[in-house]
Amino acid sequence: DAGVTQSPTHLIKTRGQQVTLRCSPKSGHDTVSWYQQALGQGPQFIFQYYEEEERQRGNFPDRFSGHQFPNYSSELNVNALLLGDSALYLCASSLSGDKLFFGSGTQLSVL
Amino acid sequence: AQRVTQPEKLLSVFKGAPVELKCNYSYSGSPELFWYVQYSRQRLQLLLRHISRESIKGFTADLNKGETSFHLKKPFAQEEDSAMYYCALPLQNTDKLIFGTGTRLQVFP
Repeated sequence: DAGVTQSPTHLIKTRGQQVTLRCSPKSGHDTVSWYQQALGQGPQFIFQYYEEEERQRGNFPDRFSGHQFPNYSSELNVNALLLGDSALYLCASSLSGDKLFFGSGTQLSVL
Repeated sequence: AQRVTQPEKLLSVFKGAPVELKCNYSYSGSPELFWYVQYSRQRLQLLLRHISRESIKGFTADLNKGETSFHLKKPFAQEEDSAMYYCALPLQNTDKLIFGTGTRLQVFP
């Protein structure tokens, strides 16, 4: 089991562009959560997906959206990128909200 | 508001010295608290959770409701303990985790 896998590992975008990050959960997990980790900060919760629906959401603008597919994999989309969106984006999976397993993250740089 | 505070950004000790990583929280009710660790070039992983009352890699953490603390302790630090440590708790009635800002532990030989 490869655990939680995220792609790409690194990404460079310019302001105003749109980005899509991908996550495959650990085998057997049905819940995917996304976190943003800015430099020097702890991870901040963006949203969580379960049964292909957004179940919970943190304090992030509507520019941040997501999707969960029938195979439980998930995407995070960010529109109209701002410089402040530069961060490490972490995906975590769990089985019905139990113990979280994190991926290695996608490092997004917005220039 | 629920909050997790880790007052130390960096903690440096020598091998064999005791370690205490501080975590304070604000929460109404009985919180479930976690410690996560991130070793260099590795992913964030759960170290321990207070409901398990377990010791992992020699680390323990006791929930002190009176002081609203959940400090992480180890009696004798090892070089391989060098890592970022994050304290976290779930937002009430959800499994959304609120993380502290983290403490970097450096253990010198």
